[in-house]
Amino acid sequence: DIQMTQSPSSLSASVGDRVTITCRASQDISNYLAWFQQKPGKAPKSLIYAASSLQNGVPSKFSGSGSGTDFTLTISSLQPEDFAIYFCQQYNSYPFTFGPGTKVDIK
Amino acid sequence: EVQLVESGGGLVQAGRSLRLSCTTSGFAFGDYAMTWVRQAPGKGLEWIGFIRSKPYGGTPEYDPSVKGRFTISGDDSKNVAYLQMNGLKTEDTAMYYCARGSYASGSYYLDYWGRGTLVTVSS
Repeated sequence: DIQMTQSPSSLSASVGDRVTITCRASQDISNYLAWFQQKPGKAPKSLIYAASSLQNGVPSKFSGSGSGTDFTLTISSLQPEDFAIYFCQQYNSYPFTFGPGTKVDIK
Repeated sequence: EVQLVESGGGLVQAGRSLRLSCTTSGFAFGDYAMTWVRQAPGKGLEWIGFIRSKPYGGTPEYDPSVKGRFTISGDDSKNVAYLQMNGLKTEDTAMYYCARGSYASGSYYLDYWGRGTLVTVSS
């Protein structure tokens, strides 16, 4: 199975900050990488697929990059509604696996 | 509007079975894969498996941790996906989500999610 790791596991940031989260795969997954946002008590929301393509309706302050084993999710200017947990997922090979998540909270 | 609504969760004893349903609307059900993901209390997301869309064979894939106990299926006439869970264990206690999978470049990425249904397995 492909193992996904994320760093940091949590971070504190202020409104307006630029935030970057890293996701690493244990083997080459090309660009088969997705990002999700989850707020407390809510279902996950899809943000990005194919490493850098925004899902419909997702604001452009979110961006993704990377290929192979190293990927990043960037939020250009953090807003109050962005405080959440962010998960990456590889869908290159079965079983599709998620990263452990990165919690973004208010400094 | 794309909608997915899970149902069928509840409290069940270890060893028993449960069938979850994911009722969908707002899209052509047969053209998409349907995935099940679970989340144990306070934990991360765990991919359970999915069933391919009919154009790509309609066959399932499973995580090894549930293979042989869980079965994913779909009913195109009702626009519903199912997760049959047998031999439930206390560690299967989780919120269960269904999500739609869209096909691109040889694989499926998740785009829409349901709100989830809670399964609690007691000993």
